[in-house]
Amino acid sequence: QKEVEQDPGPLSVPEGAIVSLNCTYSNSAFQYFMWYRQYSRKGPELLMYTYSSGNKEDGRFTAQLNRASQYISLLIRDSKLSDSATYLCAMTDYGNNRLAFGKGNQVVVIP
Amino acid sequence: NAGVMQNPRHLVRRRGQEARLRCSPMKGHSHVYWYRQLPEEGLKFMVYLQKENIIDESGMPKERFSAEFPKEGPSILRIQQVVRGDSAAYFCASSPGQLDEKLFFGSGTQLSVL
Repeated sequence: QKEVEQDPGPLSVPEGAIVSLNCTYSNSAFQYFMWYRQYSRKGPELLMYTYSSGNKEDGRFTAQLNRASQYISLLIRDSKLSDSATYLCAMTDYGNNRLAFGKGNQVVVIP
Repeated sequence: NAGVMQNPRHLVRRRGQEARLRCSPMKGHSHVYWYRQLPEEGLKFMVYLQKENIIDESGMPKERFSAEFPKEGPSILRIQQVVRGDSAAYFCASSPGQLDEKLFFGSGTQLSVL
């Protein structure tokens, strides 16, 4: 079993829709959880960062961490064309910058 | 304030040649990380360096790969005698401190081995 599982299937949504992405993890030592956004031919860009169970909001984005069930999710509300990108979950344990990444979800927002 | 700078953006090598990838971290960052992204795979950690020191190379292949971060100049990831399986996007990231988990990534070097 991989440390981080993220269903890589592409996702097409109409503009204005809600996008929901999920990752599960098997390593209970993970303490810090991140969502990165990666545009085509670019490096990953940090989008959200959390270490507390529950929801964290930043504008149209909400990151949720559920330690008991060992999953994280990202919600994008009112999706825009500029949200078309690959979204990667990443996580690490304390004092360790070796991030473990999911495979990424390609999201396409269509007009 | 420039971000993490990587060059070249694209590198083409024939089998058996050497590939040298360069990374200049963000200003004020002294911690550098290299990750590799193979087709259809997620990003995989390779090596973590501070100035003049390799801190963690647990993700680095044992042969043909090496990395350095000299006192002056960029970090270098070196791949000797490249093979087709080395074709991938190589990303460099930097952070200001060891315990700062927020990494800032460069745009990557796409290595193609013919």
